[in-house]
Parts: sequence; structure tokens; C-alpha cells
Amino acid sequence: AQKVTQAQTEISVVEKEDVTLDCVYETRDTTYYLFWYKQPPSGELVFLIRRNSFDEQNEISGRYSWNFQKSTSSFNFTITASQVVDSAVYFCALSEAWAAGNKLTFGGGTRVLVKP
Amino acid sequence: EAEVAQSPRYKITEKSQAVAFWCDPISGHATLYWYRQILGQGPELLVQFQDESVVDDSQLPKDRFSAERLKGVDSTLKIQPAELGDSAMYLCASSLARLAGDEQYFGPGTRLTVT
Repeated sequence: AQKVTQAQTEISVVEKEDVTLDCVYETRDTTYYLFWYKQPPSGELVFLIRRNSFDEQNEISGRYSWNFQKSTSSFNFTITASQVVDSAVYFCALSEAWAAGNKLTFGGGTRVLVKP
Repeated sequence: EAEVAQSPRYKITEKSQAVAFWCDPISGHATLYWYRQILGQGPELLVQFQDESVVDDSQLPKDRFSAERLKGVDSTLKIQPAELGDSAMYLCASSLARLAGDEQYFGPGTRLTVT
């Protein structure tokens, strides 16, 4: 069965520091997708990034970057030069190609607090 | 920009009462999802619709929960009777199709408190 683990429950940083969020996943499928979502205090989940299992190229998008390593089943996410507006709960999620539909399995989330 | 609409945003109900939540997905999105998020945890899928048909309701407590999407557009999630353990955020999401990897767009959620 699929599983997503976010070991960090809360991270506190000072503005402009970098923040790296860890995500480890379990799946028996060879084709799958990994996501990062942000949930600000308002409650709405906001899509940030998506990666498929065949593309391990790591990229940077603005202040966001990610490190996908299939060998260790990890999909870590970094916010560079953090800002107060980055304070939120961040969720890593997994979608398996074989599963019915497009079910997302979420990790427990990591709360990020950016202090001015 | 198109958004997923949900109402009400907040609901307080007493134990054993009935409660219903409404969701209107982004226009043209064939797939609709209901997730439940208990405080401090990640969301968990309750039910998924493709048009008006249920694709996955394996995690829906069918003795008290029901969901429908009669015309394949908006959807209603009902709980009857509500229990204290149902207190949570109920999130609705939609996607263009139900292919793995399709981006899901989430609504603002309905925060339910059962007293």
C-alpha cells in the first residue's frame, strides 16, 4: 500500500533562511506522481509542484526547488530565502498510476513558521 | 481564475444531527473528490466521482456518510447522524480528468465541529 511520511512536524526559521522539507514515500507501482501542496491558515490547499517517477531531474522554480531521489524514495522540497508569507503547513502527496482514479495519499504535513 | 466553491465554510452541529456540505467544482472538471482532514493530519480521500459515477468510496463510512453528484456537476456530502469524531475539515477538489498525476484544485473547505 502507498504511504507518505513527513518526519518533521514543525520547522521554525528566521526570514531569509532556507527551509528544506523532507518527504519519504512507499509504493509498489513503477509509475507514480509526487506533489507538494501548501496549506496556509485560510485552509485551502495550494498546488506547488508535481514530479513523475520517470523524471528525476531536479529543478528550481523561483524560490522553490526539489530533490527527487528514487534510490532512497525521497522527494525533498526547499524554500530559498524564506519569507513570512511562506508560513503554512506543507504536504507531500503521492498518486499511483495503477490505483482507481487519481487518489492522492498525503503525508502528515510539516508546519513551517517563518519569523521576521 | 476559476475556483472550487464550497459551503458552508463553518458548521457547528450537535451529535446525532444531520449535516450536509456542498461543493461546486471548476467548470468542465469531470472528476470531483471529497477529502476529510482531521486537525494535525493530512487529508484523506473519502469519495471520488467521475462525472456522476463513484470511482472510489472505499474509505467512506457508509453507515453514516453519503455522497452524490446527480448531474455530474456539483456534489453534496451528507453525514447522518453526526458523531464527535466527525469534527474535521472537509475539503472538496476537482480535476479535469481522473488520470494519475492530474492536478487537483482544492476549495476552501468546510470546518465541521460536532458538539
